Amino acid sequence: LAKTTQPPSMEAYEGQEVNVSCSHTNIATSEYIYWYRQVPHQGPQFIIQGYKDYVVNEVASLFISADRKLSTLSLPWVSLRDAAVYYCIVTDMWDSNYQLIWGSGTKLIIKP
Amino acid sequence: GGIITQTPKFLIGQEGQKLTLKCQQNFNHDTMYWYRQDSGKGLRLIYYSITENDLQKGDLSEGYDASREKKSSFSLTVTSAQKNEMAVFLCASGLGSNTGQLYFGEGSKLTVL
Repeated sequence: LAKTTQPPSMEAYEGQEVNVSCSHTNIATSEYIYWYRQVPHQGPQFIIQGYKDYVVNEVASLFISADRKLSTLSLPWVSLRDAAVYYCIVTDMWDSNYQLIWGSGTKLIIKP
Repeated sequence: GGIITQTPKFLIGQEGQKLTLKCQQNFNHDTMYWYRQDSGKGLRLIYYSITENDLQKGDLSEGYDASREKKSSFSLTVTSAQKNEMAVFLCASGLGSNTGQLYFGEGSKLTVL
């Protein structure tokens, strides 16, 4: 059972900023948040990870609420290449029996 | 940078047949994974390996065998292909056993006739 809840799909126009939300209401203090994206016919690709507050890299930004129950992946200026399924995953890196639990993700549809 | 290579990209087999998928990585990563992805769904873990000759079962290991004879390679065998086996199988690697940052291959699509 996935530990996260995401909207099944979103639509945006090219050039818009897109915010993909992820709810993880039962997140433990030892758990981190990871985001991946998967374009058709390819494996998932790691985007960003975070524990709290705000993380940014060259691809995206990640906002994590103060209680850590909600995270938001922000993609600036989306293009058609950003059309993909976005997965939010929460995992405990210190659990010796850990494994990533993948939900169904959010399908981002980009309109020209 | 490194790369994960999965072979074959497409595999067609008969029901009941034993089929093997191979995965090679040149990241020098310790941990490797095999996932299954059904159409429109998320990934489910079949097997993972934290070092050469180590094997750990995931939630979906029944009906599959795996082999990690070298650090750089990880094989998955479908012991008896079933019609509901049609899916994409994804191989991944990670630097350690406690990382959430994995690198994936492009997948191997299995069709069972």
